[in-house]
Amino acid sequence: DFQMTQSPSTLSASVGDRVTITCRASQSISSWLAWYQQKPGKAPKVLIYKASSLESGVPPRFSGNGSGTEFTLTISSLQPDDFATYYCQQYNSGFTFGPGTKVDI
Amino acid sequence: QLQLQESGPGLVKPSETLSLSCSVSGGFISSSSYYWGWIRQPPGKGLEWIGSIYYSGSAYYNPSLKSRVTISVDTSNNQFSLKLTSLTAADTAVYYCARRSPELIFDSWGQGTLVTVSS
Repeated sequence: DFQMTQSPSTLSASVGDRVTITCRASQSISSWLAWYQQKPGKAPKVLIYKASSLESGVPPRFSGNGSGTEFTLTISSLQPDDFATYYCQQYNSGFTFGPGTKVDI
Repeated sequence: QLQLQESGPGLVKPSETLSLSCSVSGGFISSSSYYWGWIRQPPGKGLEWIGSIYYSGSAYYNPSLKSRVTISVDTSNNQFSLKLTSLTAADTAVYYCARRSPELIFDSWGQGTLVTVSS
C-alpha cells in the first residue's frame, strides 16, 4: 500500500507570497504524481501531472518538482483565486491521495 | 465540452447497497485510452479512489473496497455505474465520477453527489 503525506496541513499566506507544499510517498513512485486544487463545494481540478507537467490551461505560476518519494508544489505568486485545498495523488499503483493542504489567508 | 453527471439516492440505510450512475455527455465513453472512475470524499475529509473501468468492461478497484464494489459500463447509454454493498456510516461521502486520461490523471469530474448512510 502506498501512503501519502503532505506538509503543512494548513498554510496561512498573503496575496503575492511564494508558497510551497511538500508531498511524501511511503515508497518510490518515480514521477507518477499529480497535484489537484479543490475549492469548497467543488470537484478537484488537476494542476500538475507526472510530477512537473503543467495541465493545459493552468497558470504558469503553478509548478511541480520531485521524484522518488519527495515532491513539491510551488505557487510563485499567490493570487486570490488560489486560496483552496491542494491534494497530491500517486498513480504508480492504483491511486492514492494525500490528506490535503489548506491554503488560507 | 465533456460533462459528467452523477445520479442516485441521497440517503441509504445501513447494510443496504448503494447504486449510483454517471452520465457522460459531450464525448463518448467508448473513447480509446480513457478510463472512467469513482472517487469519494467523506464530509470534511480527503479523497479516496474507489475504482475505474474501461469501456470494454475491464475494471480495477481499490483493494480496501474491492470486496464490496462493482463498477459497470453501459456504452449504449454512454454511462457507467457504481454499486457498493454492506453500507455503514463510514461510507457517507460525496461521490464523484471522473474521467481518467491517458496521462493517468482524473482530468474531468462530475459535480459530486452526497450520499448519507443512516437509518
